[in-house]
Amino acid sequence: GENVEQHPSTLSVQEGDSAVIKCTYSDSASNYFPWYKQELGKRPQLIIDIRSNVGEKKDQRIAVTLNKTAKHFSLHITETQPEDSAVYFCAALKDPGGGADGLTFGKGTHLIIQP
Amino acid sequence: ETGVTQTPRHLVMGMTNKKSLKCEQHLGHNAMYWYKQSAKKPLELMFVYNFKEQTENNSVPSRFSPECPNSSHLFLHLHTLQPEDSALYLCASSQGGYPGEQYFGPGTRLTVT
Repeated sequence: GENVEQHPSTLSVQEGDSAVIKCTYSDSASNYFPWYKQELGKRPQLIIDIRSNVGEKKDQRIAVTLNKTAKHFSLHITETQPEDSAVYFCAALKDPGGGADGLTFGKGTHLIIQP
Repeated sequence: ETGVTQTPRHLVMGMTNKKSLKCEQHLGHNAMYWYKQSAKKPLELMFVYNFKEQTENNSVPSRFSPECPNSSHLFLHLHTLQPEDSALYLCASSQGGYPGEQYFGPGTRLTVT
């Protein structure tokens, strides 16, 4: 089955600086890679996702890059703000081809934005 | 409440009790999922249902028994649990058929005493 490794487990950055979280996956058949943000006591919420047919995707201050050859993908947050403080999870999924499949998650990164 | 709802939000049960967790999605999705989130492990997939049919059981012990009577409702029946089963149990739903966003419920915080 799929295995997703995520680093670092904790990341502390100064407000306004950039943050980068990295993930690797093991199953070369995986082709959908979402990132979820979970604030304390709240449910995980999707912030950005990328499919295997593109190498990069941006949404305002958030971007995700994918390297299929190396089987790794990264989340980039620029101009960090206090509300970015949360736990971020990467995940991977193999296209079910008409069905549904569960996500395999990384262990999470606790992002701390220092004022 | 819209989206994905879960009840109860908190549950304390003894190891000999039987209880059930309920999930309901109001998004018109056809796939539903159970995940377990504990302090020392990543979000772990437990079960997947697509159009009411179970399509995945991620090696979950038989003391956890899922039920999906229709595409909008999902249950997790619990019996003879162990203290290590204490965790946050999250339900999610998605459209299915094409990889896309899974919408999570708020979770049920389960404590087994």
